[in-house]
Amino acid sequence: SQQGEEDPQALSIQEGENATMNCSYKTSINNLQWYRQNSGRGLVHLILIRSNEREKHSGRLRVTLDTSKKSSSLLITASRAADTASYFCATADNYGQNFVFGPGTRLSVLP
Amino acid sequence: DSGVTQTPKHLITATGQRVTLRCSPRSGDLSVYWYQQSLDQGLQFLIQYYNGEERAKGNILERFSAQQFPDLHSELNLSSLELGDSALYFCASSVGLLDEQFFGPGTRLTVL
Repeated sequence: SQQGEEDPQALSIQEGENATMNCSYKTSINNLQWYRQNSGRGLVHLILIRSNEREKHSGRLRVTLDTSKKSSSLLITASRAADTASYFCATADNYGQNFVFGPGTRLSVLP
Repeated sequence: DSGVTQTPKHLITATGQRVTLRCSPRSGDLSVYWYQQSLDQGLQFLIQYYNGEERAKGNILERFSAQQFPDLHSELNLSSLELGDSALYFCASSVGLLDEQFFGPGTRLTVL
């Protein structure tokens, strides 16, 4: 089964609202990364958070990591129509191996 | 633009054939990863190379092979192609083993 599982599978919000996506994983990790993918295109790296970090910010993005619960969340504040995409979490173990992507959350931001 | 280039962008071929996908990592990146993305399987890690050496293997079929050359570009070879191999194939690169991965635009493979 997938190491990373995003939740929800799909999310639809209005422009200006905040969007929160969650990711759960099963085994010990070195880091967790969030990516965005516009339909049929390459993945864009958003944020990498390491296992000894609890929170990271980048512009309108905020990522948290709870290693005790083996979960992470991605918050997009003040969403825009251009944020419409699929969002994936991915994990890597301490050996820099075992790269596993979750099935993704499809975010739709309505104008 | 991530700085990772992949060729070709599109590839249409027939079952039983063999194809080679090429990837050039970002300047300075030593690690190259290959992924397959299909509608039913999602994004699957295939294989990773670091500075010319195979580092990690994922769900890569025996019909598939890859290598990383001294100039750090990488090729993914797919042989005895089946209809189910139709997918987007992504290459990604990173500086080291535990760093952000930067993805190329992908190669869309269609097997008829």
